[in-house]
Amino acid sequence: QVRLQQWGAGLLKPSETLSLTCAVYGGSFTGYYWTWIRQPPGKGLEWIGELNHIGGANYNPSLKSRLTISADTSKNQFSLRLNSVTAADTAIYYCARSSDFWSGCSDWGQGALVTVSS
Amino acid sequence: SSELTQDPDVSVALGQTVRITCQGDTLRKFFATWYQQKPGQAPVLVIHGENKRPSGIPDRFSGSASGNTASLTITGAQATDEADYYCNSRDSSGYQVFGTGTKVTVL
Repeated sequence: QVRLQQWGAGLLKPSETLSLTCAVYGGSFTGYYWTWIRQPPGKGLEWIGELNHIGGANYNPSLKSRLTISADTSKNQFSLRLNSVTAADTAIYYCARSSDFWSGCSDWGQGALVTVSS
Repeated sequence: SSELTQDPDVSVALGQTVRITCQGDTLRKFFATWYQQKPGQAPVLVIHGENKRPSGIPDRFSGSASGNTASLTITGAQATDEADYYCNSRDSSGYQVFGTGTKVTVL
């Protein structure tokens, strides 16, 4: 059974860079889609972006200019960097895995609350 | 990007059937994926593709589609089904989009 464990700084000031990492345990890293999703407190889900099965990145257009998603296959990890954060980036951030383009995210990390406040 | 619209709140009597709908132009081309989310927990995938249930999801959950509308039906709702439900799909550029979410209350 695959397990996703995520970590990163939980409190940021405006203009700082959000950085989260998700480690994959108990399963293969290659051949899957690796996704980041966020949820502002009390609100709905928002797709941030993904790495596809061959390592290409696909980003939410509304975040693209500030966003980098990358992978370290040697460590079975993938990461999210979001520059120039504001209070609007305050959310629970989830990492997740999909088996392919169409099948949805079947495995999720535990979520990490990131708060942006001065 | 495309939008997916859901009714904010739906209620169902215990043991009865409830249908949760998701509307959006992209659903004319692509199937919806459905997630269940309980308070304080990560979402759980309940339906993907043409009505496919991941292992461990009860068969009282089913999916369907017609035109620009996708539906998630819970047949014989249980108290444990009380949760928020989100639809999800791809738009024509391949980006994912989530629905606005539906809170299901089991009476």
